[in-house]
This record gives sequence, C-alpha cells and structure tokens, in this order.
Amino acid sequence: GESVGLHLPTLSVQEGDNSIINCAYSNSASDYFIWYKQESGKGPQFIIDIRSNMDKRQGQRVTVLLNKTVKHLSLQIAATQPGDSAVYFCAENRAGGYNKLIFGAGTRLAVHP
Amino acid sequence: DAGVIQSPRHEVTEMGQEVTLRCKPISGHDYLFWYRQTMMRGLELLIYFNNNVPIDDSGMPEDRFSAKMPNASFSTLKIQPSEPRDSAVYFCASSLQGGNTEAFFGQGTRLTVV
Repeated sequence: GESVGLHLPTLSVQEGDNSIINCAYSNSASDYFIWYKQESGKGPQFIIDIRSNMDKRQGQRVTVLLNKTVKHLSLQIAATQPGDSAVYFCAENRAGGYNKLIFGAGTRLAVHP
Repeated sequence: DAGVIQSPRHEVTEMGQEVTLRCKPISGHDYLFWYRQTMMRGLELLIYFNNNVPIDDSGMPEDRFSAKMPNASFSTLKIQPSEPRDSAVYFCASSLQGGNTEAFFGQGTRLTVV
C-alpha cells in the first residue's frame, strides 16, 4: 500500500552526539510533513512539522529539513540525550483531496551513554 | 484538556468474540482518526471522521471492522468477529484541521486475540 519510507530502521548514537534520521516520500504533491516520536507503550507524540513552502524549520534541539527535489525529509537532533531513545516516524499529508496523515515505517533511535 | 482518551488500555479476547474499542477526542477537534499499529505493517490509517461523518474508510481491512462516531466526543471501533491476526495496538487521534495540522494521539489499546 501507499507509505512513506525510511532509509535506516535503527540508528545508534552516543550521548551528546547529533542524530540525523532520514525519510523518503513518494508523492511530490505532498504539502505537509510531521515528525513524531513514539516511546515504548505510548502513542506517537508530535515533534516538529514543516510545510512544503519551506525547506528548513527549527525547534528546541530539533531541525527538520525538506528537500522537495529529491523528496527527502530529515530530522536532526542536537546533543542527543538518553531520553531521545524512541522510534521516530515521518508522516505526510498528500495533497489533491486527501486530508489524512500517512506514516512511514519508523526508525529506532538508540542513545548509548 | 486530558488529551485523547482511549479505553480499554488492554484487551484480551477469544477468537470469534466481538471487541469494541472506545475513544474520546480532544474537545473542539473536528477530525478523528483510527490507526492500527503492528510490527509488520507499522501505523496504518483505518478510517477518519470529519464532524462525526466518516470521510475515508479505505483502510478498514474487511467487513468485520466497523467504526462509528455518534457525537463529537465519542467514537468506537468494533471488530466482529475478532481473529488472531487482528492483534495489534489501535490508536485514536484527533486534530483541528485534518491532515494539515498536528494530530494528537491517545495512549492506544493493545488488543490480543487468542
């Protein structure tokens, strides 16, 4: 079925390093993207979003980059902390009459002390 | 606001039984989504409502699944009869503007069909 894909299923980083999680999307008409964080036993939590008229957006310790030319989305986490360990999902809203978020497969981020 | 509230948190049932999952969206949100999460298929959108009306149910796996939203503060997802392959975590989410804004998720219902 339709889905947003991820390059890396698991990412291991040292505490304090920067993390980069990547996502490829298939529909060039998608106009809105969100990164979610899901901790064990919990529902996905919003981290940051970006609209297609932007190529970069920053939050607290997180930055999302959007490259529409190659249909690529990335989430950068600065100074990764143990509390950042979770599964990260990108989601897209596909334009053209759709009004729903389609999620990617997810990347597990493991932060080691 | 307490966020999106789902019940029960865990459900174990025997194959063939009817299962009803419940959701209370965030007050004022016009959109409600039901997702299913499994290791094999990830997060799948089953159905979503706008102003209590089902808009897209193309993700509902088969006729055994049905969803209702009788009012703005309550929705149910029913499986009848349940099968072991329905075992998954079911999430309800709500948002103000459909897919064009952040969706807030509940804690999920972990369903096990034995």
